[in-house]
Amino acid sequence: DVKVTQSSRYLVKRTGEKVFLECVQDMDHENMFWYRQDPGLGLRLIYFSYDVKMKEKGDIPEGYSVSREKKERFSLILESASTNQTSMYLCASSSPGTGNQPQHFGDGTRLSIL
Amino acid sequence: GESVGLHLPTLSVQEGDNSIINCAYSNSASDYFIWYKQESGKGPQFIIDIRSNMDKRQGQRVTVLLNKTVKHLSLQIAATQPGDSAVYFCAETVGGSNYKLTFGKGTLLTVNP
Repeated sequence: DVKVTQSSRYLVKRTGEKVFLECVQDMDHENMFWYRQDPGLGLRLIYFSYDVKMKEKGDIPEGYSVSREKKERFSLILESASTNQTSMYLCASSSPGTGNQPQHFGDGTRLSIL
Repeated sequence: GESVGLHLPTLSVQEGDNSIINCAYSNSASDYFIWYKQESGKGPQFIIDIRSNMDKRQGQRVTVLLNKTVKHLSLQIAATQPGDSAVYFCAETVGGSNYKLTFGKGTLLTVNP
């Protein structure tokens, strides 16, 4: 089974702090993704990466950056946290494979910015 | 922009009954669809997928039906169990890319004992 592990289940930070969310997958997947999930808005893509050191903006990249130094690890960075970044953050990974492949998700980090 | 939507936000069924969760999509170029289950406090869990060259696919207790004519996707769960209680949502990709999934908002399935 695919295992996507997010380092923290719950995190509380203060406005203006630099916040790091970490994600590790154990299936040697090339693709990794960061989403946020908010009530009534569903899942929205923040950034994704299709290879080490490669990144692409998703639908809502403002206020975030990412880092992919190793294939198995994808980090989401909130440069200066704000209260509107309070949310559930979900990491996912997938293999390009032949044809379509589903994304597999971690259990999420519930981040509160005070 | 085009998006994936759901017909019903909530569904309540009796244990042992069959459940049907529906999803409408508007982009005729969508060619890959996925159903996810999300239990409270957990991340979305892959259930089953289907490509647009198929109209039906079966898994363990689950069946996905795709009707491209009316752009409709459904998830059927046989003999629904309390452990099936969760939010279910569909997702689509356009043009064969698995980078950009468009997710529906979700349907909450409640299974009554």
